[in-house]
Amino acid sequence: DADVTQTPRNRITKTGKRIMLECSQTKGHDRMYWYRQDPGLGLQLIYYSFDVKDINKGEISDGYSVSRQAQAKFSLSLESAIPNQTALYFCATSDTGWETQYFGPGTRLLVL
Amino acid sequence: DQQVKQNSPSLSVQEGRISILNCDYTNSMFDYFLWYKKYPAEGPTFLISISSIKDKNEDGRFTVFLNKSAKHLSLHIVPSQPGDSAVYFCAASPRGGSQGNLIFGKGTKLSVKP
Repeated sequence: DADVTQTPRNRITKTGKRIMLECSQTKGHDRMYWYRQDPGLGLQLIYYSFDVKDINKGEISDGYSVSRQAQAKFSLSLESAIPNQTALYFCATSDTGWETQYFGPGTRLLVL
Repeated sequence: DQQVKQNSPSLSVQEGRISILNCDYTNSMFDYFLWYKKYPAEGPTFLISISSIKDKNEDGRFTVFLNKSAKHLSLHIVPSQPGDSAVYFCAASPRGGSQGNLIFGKGTKLSVKP
């Protein structure tokens, strides 16, 4: 079984809809991250969480919110989706040596 | 402005030869560097890293070289294999800076031809 799972793997939604992407991990790591990748670009950090009570904004947090329901679960919400949020979204985890992050398989999101 | 630059979007190499992927950075606060490999439809996978106190780190066929004065690092794959065909991302972290913030380059797509 995969250590970091993301659901759904693919999602199509319409402008203005609220959607949630979910991430679960079995690695026992405290730290979790959400990234987005646009075609031809690197990964950009949206939000990160060092533990259940510690959530921080990344480079591109506008239009997104997160919830850390438990050590193993970190959800990303788009409050009102817009077409330029069409991207590939990755969840990642790390242990206290946080530079090495372990990524999920990604969620491909299309906003029409 | 990009802080981590991978100026070659793609690289094609013959099987058995050396692959050299390059990465430049602009922020002198970066002191830890990583390479990730990504196959289609999968998340990035950690490959190798190097701390700024070193100039070389080796792991099997993969070696990363760091030139701090030039703010340049490179990943060498020797010998290259078809299974190495993937997108390679360079990433950097300001360990003493905004924690949790890995800065990624745009990636280089490596194709290893049999």
